Amino acid sequence: GDSVTQMEGPVTLSEEAFLTINCTYTATGYPSLFWYVQYPGEGLQLLLKATKADDKGSNKGFEATYRKETTSFHLEKGSVQVSDSAVYFCALIAYNQGGKLIFGQGTELSVKP
Amino acid sequence: DGGITQSPKYLFRKEGQNVTLSCEQNLNHDAMYWYRQDPGQGLRLIYYSQIVNDFQKGDIAEGYSVSREKKESFPLTVTSAQKNPTAFYLCASSRDRGYTFGSGTRLTVV
Repeated sequence: GDSVTQMEGPVTLSEEAFLTINCTYTATGYPSLFWYVQYPGEGLQLLLKATKADDKGSNKGFEATYRKETTSFHLEKGSVQVSDSAVYFCALIAYNQGGKLIFGQGTELSVKP
Repeated sequence: DGGITQSPKYLFRKEGQNVTLSCEQNLNHDAMYWYRQDPGQGLRLIYYSQIVNDFQKGDIAEGYSVSREKKESFPLTVTSAQKNPTAFYLCASSRDRGYTFGSGTRLTVV
């Protein structure tokens, strides 16, 4: 079945460092891809999305490009801030499974001042 | 403002008791979902409903039950048959590939 794999955390960075969180997927067809962010004790917020190959999603300085050839959707940010500390989830929509979201296991990011 | 409301935020249950988690949305979304979150395991789908009076099991439905009598509401009951119910539960709704999540309910069995 469809699945998402993320790099394991926790990831600890200093403020203003470059961030990459790897995400790869397995799916039939061409799923839409998402990054969600979860701050402590809260629900999930959509960070960015891409719906077709070579699309680049971007928001709040974060970017991810839908790479069909490598089945990847890596999250990047050029300069992280302490306020970016959160758990990040990569996800896809499985259209052949009722449109449900399938998540990776999440990557915890901690940014130190 | 439109959104999803989950209540309560924290819930404590004694072993052997059933408990119901509330999820209400005013977004006019057709589909609703329940996910369970455990540390290091991401989110796993419990049940989902694409229309009123219809729902399907997700990946980990055992020990849970749901109902969908109204478009706005999708309550989840954690029964005594669920062997390890302590977790963070998230409700979501969707329409046209756009998902909205509630703020979650943390259930602890004591």
